Amino acid sequence: GAVVSQHPSWVICKSGTSVKIECRSLDFQATTMFWYRQFPKQSLMLMATSNEGSKATYEQGVEKDKFLINHASLTLSTLTVTSAHPEDSSFYICSANFPGSYEQYFGPGTRLTVT
Amino acid sequence: DAKTTQPPSMDCAEGRAANLPCNHSTISGNEYVYWYRQIHSQGPQYIIHGLKNNETNEMASLIITEDRKSSTLILPHATLRDTAVYYCISHTNTGNQFYFGTGTSLTVIP
Repeated sequence: GAVVSQHPSWVICKSGTSVKIECRSLDFQATTMFWYRQFPKQSLMLMATSNEGSKATYEQGVEKDKFLINHASLTLSTLTVTSAHPEDSSFYICSANFPGSYEQYFGPGTRLTVT
Repeated sequence: DAKTTQPPSMDCAEGRAANLPCNHSTISGNEYVYWYRQIHSQGPQYIIHGLKNNETNEMASLIITEDRKSSTLILPHATLRDTAVYYCISHTNTGNQFYFGTGTSLTVIP
């Protein structure tokens, strides 16, 4: 079946630095990908919709200048957390729709810890 | 998308059927009911979806009431590996964003 991968699976960074998370669709092309954030013992919260070749659409309350999204190809979307702070520590998950399918495939997630 | 409500937690004995309810009383006519599950520290996994007819696949069955205001996900023979948080989501299939509710934490007990 369709697979979505994320890299890295976990990352630790110092406060004030930036970190990039990659989301790839491995065996299909995805014109749209989605980024979610999940804090411990909470549900997934949609952050933004990543559109290939155009600007991302951010959910209300999500800072677009802090969470930079680039969808430069049909198989890759990146999320960059700029000037990270400890409160940005979270589980970041991406997803993509398989073309012609209603199913949304999720990546395995990236655990970000900001110290 | 319509809001869904689910019980926060449930237990099920291993080998028995797990019946997970979901209320979606404000669902509109073009919204599907999707079920996903999330095992600890992993990405969500698709289980099943339906519009108004009951659906069955190799993982589960989905029973949707005639008025479509509620549904039940049935795992026919629960195993320990089915321990996860199960999310019921109503979705129009346009725009394709999924908005997750709080889900049901299912614990399968040996």
